[in-house]
Amino acid sequence: RKEVEQDPGPFNVPEGATVAFNCTYSNSASQSFFWYRQDCRKEPKLLMSVYSSGNEDGRFTAQLNRASQYISLLIRDSKLSDSATYLCVVRFSGSARQLTFGSGTQLTVLP
Amino acid sequence: NAGVTQTPKFRVLKTGQSMTLLCAQDMNHEYMYWYRQDPGMGLRLIHYSVGEGTTAKGEVPDGYNVSRLKKQNFLLGLESAAPSQTSVYFCASSTGTASYEQYFGPGTRLTVT
Repeated sequence: RKEVEQDPGPFNVPEGATVAFNCTYSNSASQSFFWYRQDCRKEPKLLMSVYSSGNEDGRFTAQLNRASQYISLLIRDSKLSDSATYLCVVRFSGSARQLTFGSGTQLTVLP
Repeated sequence: NAGVTQTPKFRVLKTGQSMTLLCAQDMNHEYMYWYRQDPGMGLRLIHYSVGEGTTAKGEVPDGYNVSRLKKQNFLLGLESAAPSQTSVYFCASSTGTASYEQYFGPGTRLTVT
């Protein structure tokens, strides 16, 4: 079983739609959680950290459910420029600064 | 600031050949990492370094060696390339502070035939 699991998609949604991705992680002692974005054939970049109380950054909302060991990302009012692969990332307890990446969820926003 | 740079961007090797991938960062970061990314597998950590002169094994270290002789550079070596090492290789760096954000280079696409 993978330590960080994501639905690979693809998710194809029209512009303006709301879309949500979930991610589950295996280690209940996980410390830190992030969403990274990766454009086609480019490097991953940090989209946002995920805090226990949930957090928003413009159209993006991240939630953490420690009891069920999942993380979610909600994108409201999707733009064409949101098309990318979204990587769920976890820092496990005892792993120092190592991050564990999910294999990503592909999103295409259609005009 | 160039951030994290990687050399080369593309390379084709024959089985058994050797090569070195160079990663350089100009952000004075303590930590540096080498990952490989394969379809459906996500990013997997090969080796990492917590400071100049130190290296450690990650999740998939076999067939690779690394060196960090200078703080700003992290080299990844393939001594005898195999087709299974065909992948996209990313280097990343991070600070030693409370932020765990990793900054990635643009990647090296390696094909071993």
